[in-house]
Amino acid sequence: EDKVVQSPLSLVVHEGDTVTLNCSYEVTNFRSLLWYKQEKKAPTFLFMLTSSGIEKKSGRLSSILDKKELFSILNITATQTGDSAVYLCAVPEEGNNDMRFGAGTRLTVKP
Amino acid sequence: DAGVIQSPRHEVTEMGQEVTLRCKPISGHDYLFWYRQTMMRGLELLIYFNNNVPIDDSGMPEDRFSAKMPNASFSTLKIQPSEPRDSAVYFCASSLQRVSYNEQFFGPGTRLTVL
Repeated sequence: EDKVVQSPLSLVVHEGDTVTLNCSYEVTNFRSLLWYKQEKKAPTFLFMLTSSGIEKKSGRLSSILDKKELFSILNITATQTGDSAVYLCAVPEEGNNDMRFGAGTRLTVKP
Repeated sequence: DAGVIQSPRHEVTEMGQEVTLRCKPISGHDYLFWYRQTMMRGLELLIYFNNNVPIDDSGMPEDRFSAKMPNASFSTLKIQPSEPRDSAVYFCASSLQRVSYNEQFFGPGTRLTVL
């Protein structure tokens, strides 16, 4: 069965710290991996990764994919309290268009 | 575009009552997805539509759940009869017909509480 596993499940840091969130996956016929940020409401899209070794970057956030080892990381540098959220990793399942989501990492950034 | 619109935003009902959740996808999007999110099970896909046709409803928990998409701009998720274990946030999402994979845009969700 395809699966997506995120770690850690929960993380508490202080402002200014750098964090690394992990997502490992086992899916048949991998096509892409997506990262979402979920605050109090709906998930919002961060990155889509399709190729190994190519870093996607947006401000203090960056992400990279390793298709050989079947994982992705999401880095956040110089964290701010506004980064506090659940970060979800998702991978489309083979043969259809839905996504399998990981359980998420709950990040809390303290002042 | 206003994004994916869902209503109601909050619903509190008693066990046994019928609940109808509504979704308006982003105009022009060909795919519509219904998800349920709980603390215990995370975000789960219930059903999705392509061009108004249900494609995969294997995630629908049981016969009490049904979903329809009568046209390209409207979908409903109905629970009848509702049970306390149905309490969750229900998200609707939409995406474009894709050559390569595109992101799904989520609505704000409906928080359902069944007493």
